Amino acid sequence: QQQVKQSPQSLIVQKGGISIINCAYENTAFDYFPWYQQFPGKGPALLIAIRPDVSEKKEGRFTISFNKSAKQFSLHIMDSQPGDSATYFCAASVQGQGGSEKLVFGKGTKLTVNP
Amino acid sequence: EPEVTQTPSHQVTQMGQEVILRCVPISNHLYFYWYRQILGQKVEFLVSFYNNEISEKSEIFDDQFSVERPDGSNFTLKIRSTKLEDSAMYFCASSRTLNNYGYTFGSGTRLTVV
Repeated sequence: QQQVKQSPQSLIVQKGGISIINCAYENTAFDYFPWYQQFPGKGPALLIAIRPDVSEKKEGRFTISFNKSAKQFSLHIMDSQPGDSATYFCAASVQGQGGSEKLVFGKGTKLTVNP
Repeated sequence: EPEVTQTPSHQVTQMGQEVILRCVPISNHLYFYWYRQILGQKVEFLVSFYNNEISEKSEIFDDQFSVERPDGSNFTLKIRSTKLEDSAMYFCASSRTLNNYGYTFGSGTRLTVV
């Protein structure tokens, strides 16, 4: 119930194309859905996030689409650039014991944008 | 931009040895976390820490693990007797408030147990 399923595992896109990464969850207690970008040797960096009362959020070239009834959310990267090549993790936040927020991560998608 | 700082960046240790991984969270943050990432796999929650005590820990965080905030600025993860399967990237993270909805992660410590 605490899992977040992410697909695809890897994605190759041409420069200027649209990258789409999908995630699904089951636990309705999740209350926040961030996406993290990770470059090799670095920690995950928050890219964009959404709350379940919103169906879409856009920040620059990055858009999250959220379907609460289907328990699915996706990341769209418009006009993909070689600098976007990284591993992307979706995550879901749930309030843990003691009140802190715990993140449950998907398995990640390795995105390669070819020039 | 404020950062979470982790040291060392890479640590090699022999099986059975104790290791201490160090983190300096962002100064006005109140919630602290450790996560780990085995090579090529997803990031997994280990433990959360607030008000000088553990808020929650995962099944991974057994008696071999402990956390401490010894001096008000550092936040440490100790592995008492390392095993080969402890080899992973360990990430420290902090957040300012409850329901802040977003952590800041450090760059990680790569622990290699040989």
